[in-house]
Amino acid sequence: AQSVTQLGSHVSVSEGALVLLRCNYSSSVPPYLFWYVQYPNQGLQLLLKYTSAATLVKGINGFEAEFKKSETSFHLTKPSAHMSDAAEYFCAVSDSPQGAQKLVFGQGTRLTINP
Amino acid sequence: EAGVTQSPTHLIKTRGQQATLRCSPISGHTSVYWYQQALGLGLQFLLWYDEGEERNRGNFPPRFSGRQFPNYSSELNVNALELEDSALYLCASSNIRDRVLAGGRDQYFGPGTRLLVL
Repeated sequence: AQSVTQLGSHVSVSEGALVLLRCNYSSSVPPYLFWYVQYPNQGLQLLLKYTSAATLVKGINGFEAEFKKSETSFHLTKPSAHMSDAAEYFCAVSDSPQGAQKLVFGQGTRLTINP
Repeated sequence: EAGVTQSPTHLIKTRGQQATLRCSPISGHTSVYWYQQALGLGLQFLLWYDEGEERNRGNFPPRFSGRQFPNYSSELNVNALELEDSALYLCASSNIRDRVLAGGRDQYFGPGTRLLVL
C-alpha cells in the first residue's frame, strides 16, 4: 500500500527565505506524487505532480519539487517565500497515472510566513 | 470554466440524523471522488464513482454511501451520524479517460462541505 509522511506539521519561515517542505513516500510500484495547497476555508489546489517524465518538477506560484528514488523523497521548495504562501500543504501519492484512482495524503504541513 | 461545486457549504446535524452532501463535477469530468478531512485525522479517501458506478471505497463503515447521477453529479449520504463524523468533506472530479490533455486526469477539488454533528 502506498503512503506518504510529511516531516513537520508546522514550518515557519521569514518572507524572502527558502521554503522547504519535506515528503517521503512508500510505494510498491512506481509512484505518482503530488503536492496540493489548501488556503483557509478553501478546497485543495494542485501545485505540481511527478509522473516519471522528469525528476525535477516545476509547479505554480514558483514552487518546484525533486523526485529522488534513492531517498524515496519528493520535497517541495520555493527559493523566496511570499506572505501569500501561508497555507497548508499536502503531499499525496497515487498508484495510478495522474491520480486516476484514489489519492493517499500525508498529514499536511502548515506553512507560516513571518514578515 | 466552472470548477467543482459543493452544497451546502455548512451543515449542522444532531447525532443519529442523516446528512446528504452534493457535488457537481467540472463539465466533461466523469469521475467523482469524496474525501473526509477530520481534525487530527488528515485527508482520507472515502469513495470514487465513475460513469455511475462505485469503483473504489475507503475504510469507512457502510453508513457512508453515495451515488452518481447520469449527469455525473454525486451525492454523499451519511446515516446515523456520530460526533466523529464532524469534518470537512471534499469532492474532487477528473476525467480518467482523457489521454490527450496534459493533466486531464488530475483531480480537481471543490471548496468542501463542513459538517458539524452535535
